[in-house]
Amino acid sequence: GDSVTQMEGPVTLSEEAFLTINCTYTATGYPSLFWYVQYPGEGLQLLLKATKADDKGSNKGFEATYRKETTSFHLEKGSVQVSDSAVYFCALRGTGNQFYFGTGTSLTVIP
Amino acid sequence: GAVVSQHPSRVICKSGTSVKIECRSLDFQATTMFWYRQFPKKSLMLMATSNEGSKATYEQGVEKDKFLINHASLTLSTLTVTSAHPEDSSFYICSARDPGTVYSYEQYFGPGTRLTVT
Repeated sequence: GDSVTQMEGPVTLSEEAFLTINCTYTATGYPSLFWYVQYPGEGLQLLLKATKADDKGSNKGFEATYRKETTSFHLEKGSVQVSDSAVYFCALRGTGNQFYFGTGTSLTVIP
Repeated sequence: GAVVSQHPSRVICKSGTSVKIECRSLDFQATTMFWYRQFPKKSLMLMATSNEGSKATYEQGVEKDKFLINHASLTLSTLTVTSAHPEDSSFYICSARDPGTVYSYEQYFGPGTRLTVT
């Protein structure tokens, strides 16, 4: 069945460091891929998405490229800020329009 | 953009009582809403799919008699946790699908409801 695997955290970085959070997926067909962010005490917010192979989603300095050959959708940011501290979820929307989420990666950015 | 609200944001109830959580789509009509449960340090688990005017579809392992879902209008779905027990304590999140165009199935998530059963 469809599933998402993302790197376990927690991840702690200094401000302005480079961020990568790995995400790989297993799916039948051609899923859409998403990154959601959850700030403390809040619900999920869509960060970025990509709907087909080689698409690059980007928002707020974050980027992720839909790589069909490696079934990956790694999240990257060149220079993280304290305000980026949150839990990040990789997700896919399968052919049945159902969402499958990874386990989440907690990021803490220290000044 | 599309906004989904949940009420209450936090609720504490005694063991054995029932509690209702509302999920509303504020600026669009949602024929389909979803209810998720999030365990600490775990991912979101889909509990059920709620379709307006029809019975909810529950995921395997979710007790439909315990988690009652009603989707009486195009903007409101409710989740009632009946005879709550401490193990039901969790963060419950709903999402609503905005049909938009025929091929658009974007889901928008509510802010979640923290349920604590004492």
